[in-house]
Amino acid sequence: NAGVTQTPKFRVLKTGQSMTLLCAQDMNHEYMYWYRQDPGMGLRLIHYSVGEGTTAKGEVPDGYNVSRLKKQNFLLGLESAAPSQTSVYFCASSRTSGEIGELFFGEGSRLTVL
Amino acid sequence: GENVEQHPSTLSVQEGDSAVIKCTYSDSASNYFPWYKQELGKGPQLIIDIRSNVGEKKDQRIAVTLNKTAKHFSLHITETQPEDSAVYFCAARGAGGGADGLTFGKGTHLIIQP
Repeated sequence: NAGVTQTPKFRVLKTGQSMTLLCAQDMNHEYMYWYRQDPGMGLRLIHYSVGEGTTAKGEVPDGYNVSRLKKQNFLLGLESAAPSQTSVYFCASSRTSGEIGELFFGEGSRLTVL
Repeated sequence: GENVEQHPSTLSVQEGDSAVIKCTYSDSASNYFPWYKQELGKGPQLIIDIRSNVGEKKDQRIAVTLNKTAKHFSLHITETQPEDSAVYFCAARGAGGGADGLTFGKGTHLIIQP
């Protein structure tokens, strides 16, 4: 069972460079999310998707873009990376239901922006 | 929006003792309270959750209690073991919350001393 898979697991960027984080889930979940985790800040929602072709902003969306072209994939893009985007990024998914239940997280992608 | 406060930020207990982590929330309409455990280098994983129509829920050595009047909920771990060492996050979801409706606390680093 792969669950939620994130690539890459580590990346170092220079300020101004761009990159894309890929999240793939094999559980046929409708909902997918991107969170960032910073020391002492917990988990903060960046963007999320409630289905293929849809995206919406979360708590901290500035500087990021997302796309959900296929149900199983959710991409997070940084067009012009900044040191403030140094963080650990987690993708998560949850099943379709009247109530949003358990989140299934990937193992994280550690990004350093110099 | 919802605000979740979690205490303590670090908790060190002797192996075999009990550990208690507390969270408060601000939105009296919140109705779902999960707890996630994050082991080193891994993504968070749901360990227990409680809904607002229940005051307590147990699963082997872990239990969660909810006090809706005081707007706080707690995680209790009894007979702690080395594998309980991890970061624990509480979360709350408002009644009107959709896919973006889950707010996390800042986390508690639980250390089990041998």
